[in-house]
Amino acid sequence: AQSVTQLDSQVPVFEEAPVELRCNYSSSVSVYLFWYVQYPNQGLQLLLKYLSGSTLVESINGFEAEFNKSQTSFHLRKPSVHISDTAEYFCAVTIYNQGGKLIFGQGTELSVKP
Amino acid sequence: DGGITQSPKYLFRKEGQNVTLSCEQNLNHDAMYWYRQDPGQGLRLIYYSQIVNDFQKGDIAEGYSVSREKKESFPLTVTSAQKNPTAFYLCASSPGARTEAFFGQGTRLTVV
Repeated sequence: AQSVTQLDSQVPVFEEAPVELRCNYSSSVSVYLFWYVQYPNQGLQLLLKYLSGSTLVESINGFEAEFNKSQTSFHLRKPSVHISDTAEYFCAVTIYNQGGKLIFGQGTELSVKP
Repeated sequence: DGGITQSPKYLFRKEGQNVTLSCEQNLNHDAMYWYRQDPGQGLRLIYYSQIVNDFQKGDIAEGYSVSREKKESFPLTVTSAQKNPTAFYLCASSPGARTEAFFGQGTRLTVV
């Protein structure tokens, strides 16, 4: 069965420091990969996605993620975080032939301190 | 404005009562999904529908029911058979299997 593991449940970091949120998945077939962000008591917003092509994908607010097929990883990085990046981040995969169902990791709570 | 509307945002019910959560989308998406979110567990799929008048069980369908009579609407009923219904419920839609899903703002259900 497919699964997604986010290796850190909480990541505290100081403002302007770099951050990496780790995500590994298991699947024997090809996948699409996503990072979503959730602010308190709100729905999920898409941060970035990998569907095909370049393995390095970027968001408009400075986050990037790299698809590594050999290591089955899709880690999220930002070189310098802001207070406003404080939120919960979810990694998700969807399998080519399974109707678009998303399989989520457990989430990583990013806390940016001044 | 295109989007997904979930209502109400907060819902309180007594134990043993059925309750229906609303989800409407005007994005013309074929697929719709219901997820349940509990602290530390991520999101788990309850039901999904890829086309009108058809739906499939997800990983935690027991105690829930859905209908898909219109493309725009995918209501979720939490029945009295659901042992632990207090949670945050998220509805999503997608234009197809090879792209991202778009989420509503969620409904927080509290059963007392």
